[in-house]
Amino acid sequence: GAVVSQHPSWVICKSGTSVKIECRSLDFQATTMFWYRQFPKQSLMLMATSNEGSKATYEQGVEKDKFLINHASLTLSTLTVTSAHPEDSSFYICSAGPIGQGENSPLHFGNGTRLTVT
Amino acid sequence: GQNIDQPTEMTATEGAIVQINCTYQTSGFNGLFWYQQHAGEAPTFLSYNVLDGLEEKGRFSSFLSRSKGYSYLLLKELQMKDSASYLCAVQIYTGGFKTIFGAGTRLFVKA
Repeated sequence: GAVVSQHPSWVICKSGTSVKIECRSLDFQATTMFWYRQFPKQSLMLMATSNEGSKATYEQGVEKDKFLINHASLTLSTLTVTSAHPEDSSFYICSAGPIGQGENSPLHFGNGTRLTVT
Repeated sequence: GQNIDQPTEMTATEGAIVQINCTYQTSGFNGLFWYQQHAGEAPTFLSYNVLDGLEEKGRFSSFLSRSKGYSYLLLKELQMKDSASYLCAVQIYTGGFKTIFGAGTRLFVKA
């Protein structure tokens, strides 16, 4: 149980284009999903908290107009990297915890999306 | 600010025991997690501590001292497949729950 599906697994795009990444909870509902970014040999950095039916909460230093988050349903959150640049190349991972398990339950991660901007 | 520290790398021998330490300075502490991450993959959950003491789970154990802001992950009977990064993560509450991660400890298990 508690499976999180993330798509695509990898994407290569040209500089200036936009890329959408989907994160789905397959067998549970999640009012909150989290988006992380990980550069090589570094840890996961929380970018934003995606809240179903309301605006996302962004961490300090993360541009909300560049990283658009939409959480339209209890099972789907999307992250759109707008006008991508080579410095946006990274590993993006979403995570969620099932409703009802409480805040102390561990995060369940998607398999991540490796974005390469050329 | 929020800060989590753990060693960058460790090396241990197959069959041995290794302890990976983690210290943290955070506000709104609500629990500490350990995750394992292989290169290019998503993290997988290993253990959770919210109260002081030791939690044992098979070959893995985790300890927490909230007063000292300190935790460790203990891996016993090391296997080659245990070579991975181990991430110390703290859940905090600052108007909402979120989990922040340390930089991770890369463990190399040698024969």
